[in-house]
Amino acid sequence: SQQGEEDPQALSIQEGENATMNCSYKTSINNLQWYRQNSGRGLVHLILIRSNEREKHSGRLRVTLDTSKKSSSLLITASRAADTASYFCATPDGGDMRFGAGTRLTVKP
Amino acid sequence: EADIYQTPRYLVIGTGKKITLECSQTMGHDKMYWYQQDPGMELHLIHYSYGVNSTEKGDLSSESTVSRIRTEHFPLTLESARPSHTSQYLCASSGGQQETQYFGPGTRLLVL
Repeated sequence: SQQGEEDPQALSIQEGENATMNCSYKTSINNLQWYRQNSGRGLVHLILIRSNEREKHSGRLRVTLDTSKKSSSLLITASRAADTASYFCATPDGGDMRFGAGTRLTVKP
Repeated sequence: EADIYQTPRYLVIGTGKKITLECSQTMGHDKMYWYQQDPGMELHLIHYSYGVNSTEKGDLSSESTVSRIRTEHFPLTLESARPSHTSQYLCASSGGQQETQYFGPGTRLLVL
């Protein structure tokens, strides 16, 4: 069953703009992860944020986590055409990982 | 890039054929997973393994089977392929205390 749900389903922006994607989940978690998938490829891990963290940065990526609202956001600053991909949030569920349906980001040059 | 490999990358076969999708990783990870993903859609866990001789079915009902005879190898087999099996199949692994999954490039399967 799906644990995380991303919003919006699709996002189209111009190069240089910021992109914000949101994720909501249902059960208690000890961490939440974001992955990226280029078209027709496997997923690549971007960042992990633990339940006791509120914000985390990695390069142009900024992730926030609000456990009281069971939500997370991924911000990509100064977007580039190469950021065009689908972005998934994922939460551990027992020994497995539950992925959302993803946000398809298109960055126009 | 993670050291996890899938072959073939693309496969077009006829209905009723038996196929095996290969997945191998060189990271020594105990946990391995198979996901099915239709274009632009979410991932569905179909099989997973926590170690050698351990295999479990995932959430999505699948007519495929898996085996885990060696740590590094986790093949998925379809005894009799059907058009409804057309999809992308992603293999992943994770190990130790790490909670991150590493994905292979995927196999795109088309059953005619």
